Amino acid sequence: QKEVEQNSGPLSVPEGAIASLNCTYSDRVSQSFFWYRQYSGKSPELIMSIYSNGDKEDGRFTAQLNKASQYVSLLIRDSQPSDSATYLCAVSNAGGTSYGKLTFGQGTILTVHP
Amino acid sequence: KAGVTQTPRYLIKTRGQQVTLSCSPISGHRSVSWYQQTPGQGLQFLFEYFSETQRNKGNFPGRFSGRQFSNSRSEMNVSTLELGDSALYLCASSRSGGAAETQYFGPGTRLLVL
Repeated sequence: QKEVEQNSGPLSVPEGAIASLNCTYSDRVSQSFFWYRQYSGKSPELIMSIYSNGDKEDGRFTAQLNKASQYVSLLIRDSQPSDSATYLCAVSNAGGTSYGKLTFGQGTILTVHP
Repeated sequence: KAGVTQTPRYLIKTRGQQVTLSCSPISGHRSVSWYQQTPGQGLQFLFEYFSETQRNKGNFPGRFSGRQFSNSRSEMNVSTLELGDSALYLCASSRSGGAAETQYFGPGTRLLVL
């Protein structure tokens, strides 16, 4: 079982719709969760971070975390063609052996069509 | 504030050669992490440096090494290059490498091994 798994996609949604991206993780001691967006040929850029159970909203983006189910999701409301990218879920653990280490899922390719 | 910079941006090498990549973190950031990104394996953690010390290492062979200088700039070296080393190499910086800290990625160095 992979440490971090994302819905494989690709995911295609019409402009204006809600895009839902999901991620599960296997290590129960995982502490911090991040969603990065990566455009083709570019490096990852942070969209959201979430650390405690519940929802966190930032503009059109909402991250949801459920540690009991080991599940984190990202909702993108009013999707725009400019949201078309690969979305990466990343997890970090507490503890000295985890310094500076993010464990990434394989990514979900999102396409928003006009 | 200037972002993370990486040099060179592109490299072409042949099997058996060695290569050195450079990363300059965001000013004030002392932790530098390195990642390898390939289509098949995704983003994988190589190692992390803080105050010139390697604190964490991923599951890569000893051909992959790195170092950090007193100004927090970091280099990674790959010796005896193999075709499978062709990848996008990303460095990311954060203030101290803690689990809850956001890592900011550089533009990456794209390495092609022929």
